[in-house]
Amino acid sequence: AQRVTQPEKLLSVFKGAPVELKCNYSYSGSPELFWYVQYSRQRLQLLLRHISRESIKGFTADLNKGETSFHLKKPFAQEEDSAMYYCALIAHAGNMLTFGGGTRLMVKP
Amino acid sequence: DTAVSQTPKYLVTQMGNDKSIKCEQNLGHDTMYWYKQDSKKFLKIMFSYNNKELIINETVPNRFSPKSPDKAHLNLHINSLELGDSAVYFCASSPAPGTQYFGPGTRLTVL
Repeated sequence: AQRVTQPEKLLSVFKGAPVELKCNYSYSGSPELFWYVQYSRQRLQLLLRHISRESIKGFTADLNKGETSFHLKKPFAQEEDSAMYYCALIAHAGNMLTFGGGTRLMVKP
Repeated sequence: DTAVSQTPKYLVTQMGNDKSIKCEQNLGHDTMYWYKQDSKKFLKIMFSYNNKELIINETVPNRFSPKSPDKAHLNLHINSLELGDSAVYFCASSPAPGTQYFGPGTRLTVL
């Protein structure tokens, strides 16, 4: 069975500081990894997926199969980045997401 | 033009009651889901459903059942509500595995 772990429940940084939200996974096959974000009073939405290898809102995430990690990074945090972030995995040929426990990012002015 | 909608937004009820939460999507997606988010914000898949197959998370009690009258709707029925069922329930739909569009959530409080 697959598992996603986000070790930090809360991450607090100052505006302009770099931010890294950690995500580790366990899965024996080739997973597909995602980051979802939930801003205050908004619905959960897809931020980025590893196969796209894109940068969204300044965020990037690289899949490291050796370390089984998919950390989310941004070089300069903004106050509007404050939100709940979820890392998620989908098994090969599957269609159900397994979510990590979530990390609340607070960016202070 | 809301993509995924849920009703009601809030639901307060007594233990032992039976209740339903409705979900509708106008995106034409084939697959819909129900998730439960507990008080610690942990998000857990409950069901995945398309017009061919229902996949149930084995940890979900059989008091919970999804009902799909058509491709655009997936309602969640809950029988004999318990205190532990209090949570936020999210519906989602998907055009492809992993890329999911979520509804706004329904906050269920069981007294």
